[in-house]
This record gives sequence, structure tokens and C-alpha cells, in this order.
Amino acid sequence: AIQLTQSPSSLSASVGDRLTITCRASQGISSDLAWYRQESGKPPKLLIQGASILVSGVPSRFSGSGSGTDFTLTISSLQPEDFATYYCHQYNAYPFTFGPGTKVD
Amino acid sequence: QLHLVQSGAEVRDPGASIKVSCKASGDTSGVYVIHWLRQAPGQGLEWLGYVNPKSGGTNYAEKFQGRVIMTRDASISTVYMELPRLTSEDSAVYFCARRYGSTGLDPWGQGTLVAVSS
Repeated sequence: AIQLTQSPSSLSASVGDRLTITCRASQGISSDLAWYRQESGKPPKLLIQGASILVSGVPSRFSGSGSGTDFTLTISSLQPEDFATYYCHQYNAYPFTFGPGTKVD
Repeated sequence: QLHLVQSGAEVRDPGASIKVSCKASGDTSGVYVIHWLRQAPGQGLEWLGYVNPKSGGTNYAEKFQGRVIMTRDASISTVYMELPRLTSEDSAVYFCARRYGSTGLDPWGQGTLVAVSS
């Protein structure tokens, strides 16, 4: 199975901060990577797919980049609802796998 | 827009089974499959497999092959995930989520808490 690692595992931030989270795949996955935000007690919400394609309705402060094995999620100006856990997800091959998450508090 | 609504929380004894439902409403047209995932308390996301609501075709994670059963009732736009022989390690929130074409998972159901305890 393709393994995904994320860094950092957690970070402290403030409203208005710019954040970057990285995700690395154990083998090349082209651009078959998604990013999700999960607020406490809620299901994950899809933010980015195809590594860099912003999902309809998602604020433009979110952006994604990368291909192959190295990917990043950037939040340009952190908002109160962004204090959550972020997961990357590869859908290049089954079984689908997820990164361990990055908690932003 | 598609909405997924899951069945309610369940408590089971070890060795029992669970069957969670996921009902689609709204725009159910198009070609998509429903994936099942779970999240143990304080942990990350684990993929169990998927079921095609129209054909009934399935694909299970190797870890769950021979154990999980995913089915559907197309007449009521509902898919099911059944997991027998429960242990405490199966205690988790179970989610269904749609994959439309070659995309990420969106939307997700609200989650179903399954607690396995004697």
C-alpha cells in the first residue's frame, strides 16, 4: 500500500497566519491527491483534489501544489474555522490511504 | 447536490455484528461509488472499501476481505456496510462518502459511532 506522511503533525497558529502543510507519498502518485479539513466532531470536508484543484465553494485562501511524491497545502490567512485537523489522501491506487493528519490549534 | 445520511449510533457486544446504512438524497444521478471509511477515537482515517450503488460491485481493503460485506438497495438509494465478529478494535466512527469519477471523496455522511464493549 502507498504510505503517506505529513509534516508537521501539529502546529500552533493565530488568525491571519499563513500555513503550509506537506504530504509525502512512498511512491509516485501523479496528481491523485486530495486534502481534507476535519473540524472536531464532524466528517472530513474535501478542500483540494487533483493536488491543486480547489473544490467548488471552498475559499480561495486554500491552495495546493505538487505532483509525484511531494505535495503541499497552503492556507494564506488562517480563519477561526480553520483550527482543525488536515489530512492528505491518495487515490492513485487501492487501497486508498490517508496521511496521519496535521492538527492546527 | 447529493446528501448522505447514515444510521444512528450502535453499541454491540464483542463477537456481534453491525450493519450501518447510508442513504443518498438529492441529485443521485451520475456515475459514482460509495466508499466506507472509519476513524477510531483520536486516530486517523482508514479505508474499508467501496460499493457501486447501481451495479452492486464491490472492492474491499485486503484487511477486511472475508469479513466486511457492502451491499445496496437501489430502490431506496441506500447502501449498507456490515461487519461481523466485532472486537474492541472495531470501535470507531464509520463514514460513507461518495466518489464521483476520478476525484476525491465528497460529500461525506455525518458518521455512525459504533462502540464494541462488554
